[in-house]
Amino acid sequence: QVQLQESGPGLVKPSGTLSLTCTVSGGSISSINWWSWVRQSPGKGLEWIGEIFHSGSTNYNPSLKSRVTISIDKSKNQFSLKLTSVTAADTAVYYCARVALPGYYPDYWGLGTLVTVSS
Amino acid sequence: DIQLTQSPSSLSAFVGDRVTITCRASQTVTSHLNWYQQKPGKGPKLLIYGASSLQGGVPSRFSGSGSGTEFTLTISSLQPEDFATYFCQQSYITPYTFGQGTKLEIK
Repeated sequence: QVQLQESGPGLVKPSGTLSLTCTVSGGSISSINWWSWVRQSPGKGLEWIGEIFHSGSTNYNPSLKSRVTISIDKSKNQFSLKLTSVTAADTAVYYCARVALPGYYPDYWGLGTLVTVSS
Repeated sequence: DIQLTQSPSSLSAFVGDRVTITCRASQTVTSHLNWYQQKPGKGPKLLIYGASSLQGGVPSRFSGSGSGTEFTLTISSLQPEDFATYFCQQSYITPYTFGQGTKLEIK
């Protein structure tokens, strides 16, 4: 059974950079899947941030594209999220998920990690 | 972006009831519509993918139907563990988007 676990700081200062890592266990990150980040906040509900393939190809939400980078480390079976120039509006629970192909549906999710943007 | 509108936003029902939740898309998503269940403090759990395919391990009382712009999730006989929030999500075109959620509560 594939499991995903998010990790990273729970508090980030305004204008700083949010950095999270997702560790995948029970399966290879080099498998034929995309790997995605989704966030959830009371104000905006669930929001797709972006995704990465094991080749390094990425897709990002245009609303965040200028601030987001998703990368992959196959040697550690991990993928990561960086979000720059954060504001209070970026406070949310951040989830990583595996995206099954060919339907492009996220089938396994992490438990999520709360990131608060505050000074 | 494709907007997904769920109805109702909240719903109270008894154990054993049949419940239907609707998801309408602002433009066609063909059959690329997925349903999730979320409980407090947990990540979403996939129930239905491709509008009507039951994810492995999900009880058969859950079913999905629809195509194009209108979709439904039906729970045929509510069980106590089904009280949760349900979301639809389209995986037809990026940015993938979600409905606002339907909170299902015990009456």
